[in-house]
Amino acid sequence: QKEVEQDPGPLSVPEGAIVSLNCTYSNSAFQYFMWYRQYSRKGPELLMYTYSSGNKEDGRFTAQVDKSSKYISLFIRDSQPSDSATYLCAMSYSTSGSRLTFGEGTQLTVNP
Amino acid sequence: KAGVTQTPRYLIKTRGQQVTLSCSPISGHRSVSWYQQTPGQGLQFLFEYFSETQRNKGNFPGRFSGRQFSNSRSEMNVSTLELGDSALYLCASSSSLAGVRNEQFFGPGTRLTVL
Repeated sequence: QKEVEQDPGPLSVPEGAIVSLNCTYSNSAFQYFMWYRQYSRKGPELLMYTYSSGNKEDGRFTAQVDKSSKYISLFIRDSQPSDSATYLCAMSYSTSGSRLTFGEGTQLTVNP
Repeated sequence: KAGVTQTPRYLIKTRGQQVTLSCSPISGHRSVSWYQQTPGQGLQFLFEYFSETQRNKGNFPGRFSGRQFSNSRSEMNVSTLELGDSALYLCASSSSLAGVRNEQFFGPGTRLTVL
């Protein structure tokens, strides 16, 4: 079983929709949670970084962490065609240095 | 501030050859990590270097190696290439300072094709 599970999609939504992306994890040692966005033929770009349970909002993006359920989510409001990309969740713990454990990634397409 | 740069961007090799990839981190960043990205396995951690020392290592065979120079630039080497080594190799840098949110910034990657 993988340490981090993420539905690979693909996910296709109309412009303006609310998108929900999710990851579950099995290692309770994970303390830091990230969401990356990766456009085709590019490196991942950090979107959100959280280290506690609860919600964190940044513009149209909201990251949610529920450590008791080992579940994290990323919500995208008013989705735009420019949001079409692969979204990767990533996690680390205090003794892992800079080592990140990634989910498989969810491919999102926002249709105009 | 310039981002993470990786060279070359594309590489084609044949089985049995070896390859060296290069990564220049963001100025001031001392930690460099390498990841392999494939459609089947996703992003997998190879190793991390900090101040010229390997600090962390993933579950890859010894054919994969790396090093870091005093200016924090890093190289990774893959010897005796196999078809399964075809992948996007990504480098990420972070400041890795205590008490600072250690965000990792990725380069564009080197796409390696092994024929």
